[in-house]
Amino acid sequence: AQKVTQAQTEISVVEKEDVTLDCVYETRDTTYYLFWYKQPPSGELVFLIRRNSFDEQNEISGRYSWNFQKSTSSFNFTITASQVVDSAVYFCALSEADSWGKLQFGAGTQVVVTP
Amino acid sequence: DTGVSQNPRHKITKRGQNVTFRCDPISEHNRLYWYRQTLGQGPEFLTYFQNEAQLEKSRLLSDRFSAERPKGSFSTLEIQRTEQGDSAMYLCASSLEGGATGELFFGEGSRLTVL
Repeated sequence: AQKVTQAQTEISVVEKEDVTLDCVYETRDTTYYLFWYKQPPSGELVFLIRRNSFDEQNEISGRYSWNFQKSTSSFNFTITASQVVDSAVYFCALSEADSWGKLQFGAGTQVVVTP
Repeated sequence: DTGVSQNPRHKITKRGQNVTFRCDPISEHNRLYWYRQTLGQGPEFLTYFQNEAQLEKSRLLSDRFSAERPKGSFSTLEIQRTEQGDSAMYLCASSLEGGATGELFFGEGSRLTVL
C-alpha cells in the first residue's frame, strides 16, 4: 500500500524567510512518481512538479527547489525568500508509474507567510 | 476560460436527496479524474475515465455513487441518497493520456454540504 506523510500541519514564516516542507512516502513499487501541488485559498490545485523514481537529481525552479532522496524515502520542498503569495496548502503525492493520474496525497502543509 | 469547469460550485442538500455534479475538462484532454477532499485532508482518488471508458474506481466509491462520461467530453458524478458523511469538496481534473509533464489540471471543485 502507498502512503504519503506530511508531518508538518502548518508552518508560519515572515516574508523573505526560507521554508522547507517535508514529505516522506511509502511504496512497494520500484517505479513510481512523486508530485507537489499547491492549493491557494481559491481552492484550485496547481501542479508544481513531478519526479520519476529513477531521477534523484535535485530540481530548482525559480524560488522553488526539491530534494529527492530514495535512501530516506523523502521528497522535500523548499521555498526560498518566501512571499505572501506563497501562502497556501502544499500537498505531496505519490503514484504508480503506470497509473500516474491516480494520486495518493498527503494531508498537506499549510504555509502562512506574513509581511 | 479554457480550464476545467465544475458546476455547481456549491450545493446544500438534505440527507437522502440525490445530487449531481458536472465537470467540463480541457477540450483536448482524454483523461478525466474525480477526487474527493474533506476539510484538512488531501484529495482522495475516486475514479477516472479515458475517453468514455471508466477505467478504475476506488473502494471509496460506494454503490450510491455513479460517474459517467457519455461522449468522452464532460462528466457527471451523481450521489444518490446522500448522507452527512458525503459532505466534501468534489474535485475534477483532466489530463492528456501521455502527459509528458505529469500535470493534472484541476477545477475549482464542487462543495457539497449534506444537512
